[in-house]
Amino acid sequence: QQQVKQSPQSLIVQKGGISIINCAYENTAFDYFPWYQQFPGKGPALLIAIRPDVSEKKEGRFTISFNKSAKQFSLHIMDSQPGDSATYFCAASVAAGNKLTFGGGTRVLVKP
Amino acid sequence: NAGVTQTPKFQVLKTGQSMTLQCAQDMNHNSMYWYRQDPGMGLRLIYYSASEGTTDKGEVPNGYNVSRLNKREFSLRLESAAPSQTSVYFCASSVGFVIGELFFGEGSRLTVL
Repeated sequence: QQQVKQSPQSLIVQKGGISIINCAYENTAFDYFPWYQQFPGKGPALLIAIRPDVSEKKEGRFTISFNKSAKQFSLHIMDSQPGDSATYFCAASVAAGNKLTFGGGTRVLVKP
Repeated sequence: NAGVTQTPKFQVLKTGQSMTLQCAQDMNHNSMYWYRQDPGMGLRLIYYSASEGTTDKGEVPNGYNVSRLNKREFSLRLESAAPSQTSVYFCASSVGFVIGELFFGEGSRLTVL
């Protein structure tokens, strides 16, 4: 049983559009929520991360929104570009140790 | 500028065969991890080493063993491979065993027939 549930599994968006990926978690002890980006044939790489003391974090075109009461967090990719086509993973861990629990992944395809 | 290096990149085994996946990092990181990636399952932690000389089980350790050979190297061994172990395996490292960025290798694709 996955402790972090991610949706949708795949997403197609037009260039310039907004990509939205949602994650829900069960373990209230989680207090670190990173997003990883993975290109085909490569390992995942950290994209952006948030702690539960803030409700939103923005880095360039990427924004994490966090809703602690609902135990949900999401990634928004604004002005999506073909170079953003990748698989995105949400994850969560507790501060006591760097053991990430990953969501199932979302494959994003940005059409030119 | 190597980062985390995994070998081999591809391997085909027959059921019951054994093999070792090798991982080395050149970033002087203290903590190392082995994950497996399966479609729809994300990445699941197999074993980790919080620091040199220690290893601990992750979420899916059955059928695997690990060795932290030194600070740089962390190997994953399959003693008797099973088709259920067909997967892409990723090694990762981090500065320490507190929350922070994981640096991943490029993966090792293993097929067990």
